[in-house]
Amino acid sequence: NAGVTQTPKFQVLKTGQSMTLQCAQDMNHNSMYWYRQDPGMGLRLIYYSASEGTTDKGEVPNGYNVSRLNKREFSLRLESAAPSQTSVYFCASSEALQGGYEQYFGPGTRLTVT
Amino acid sequence: LAKTTQPISMDSYEGQEVNITCSHNNIATNDYITWYQQFPSQGPRFIIQGYKTKVTNEVASLFIPADRKSSTLSLPRVSLSDTAVYYCLVGDSLTGANNLFFGTGTRLTVIP
Repeated sequence: NAGVTQTPKFQVLKTGQSMTLQCAQDMNHNSMYWYRQDPGMGLRLIYYSASEGTTDKGEVPNGYNVSRLNKREFSLRLESAAPSQTSVYFCASSEALQGGYEQYFGPGTRLTVT
Repeated sequence: LAKTTQPISMDSYEGQEVNITCSHNNIATNDYITWYQQFPSQGPRFIIQGYKTKVTNEVASLFIPADRKSSTLSLPRVSLSDTAVYYCLVGDSLTGANNLFFGTGTRLTVIP
């Protein structure tokens, strides 16, 4: 099993450009998440999807959109990139078996906006 | 909102037991406590999770007092490869993740 995969691994954008970050999991998890991590900081939740067909905002959703394409895939779109969106983006998935957050993370996408 | 507070950094010598404490004064009744480990340039990795008392697995123990307002991650006999950032996370996935809060974590440095 590959676990959680993310593409691309690295990306450089100019201000105003758009792009979509892709995430897929092969663990048959219901829930998926998108986080951003700025240098020296903890992770901040952007959006999450508790189950296929649902999405909800997290702590920092402004400037982003998401799509839960199917149970496996959850994409994050930046419509008009800004330098403040320079960060490392992590996707994660989990199965809410007993209420906690045993999440499995992907390797991350390092995004630079110039 | 069950935010967490952890020490910013800790140092330990190889072979020692390390205890990292997390404060979560506003923990809700249904919240679980989860700990993650993160190495540089990698995503966080799940270590251990608990609701109350003590939980132990092959890599760590988690101690939770009766009032659940704090928790302690215990790493037995650390090695250099345990140098990482450790995050405490509090929440209840069955009621929604919109208040999920990772915090800034504790940077553990293991010294030879």
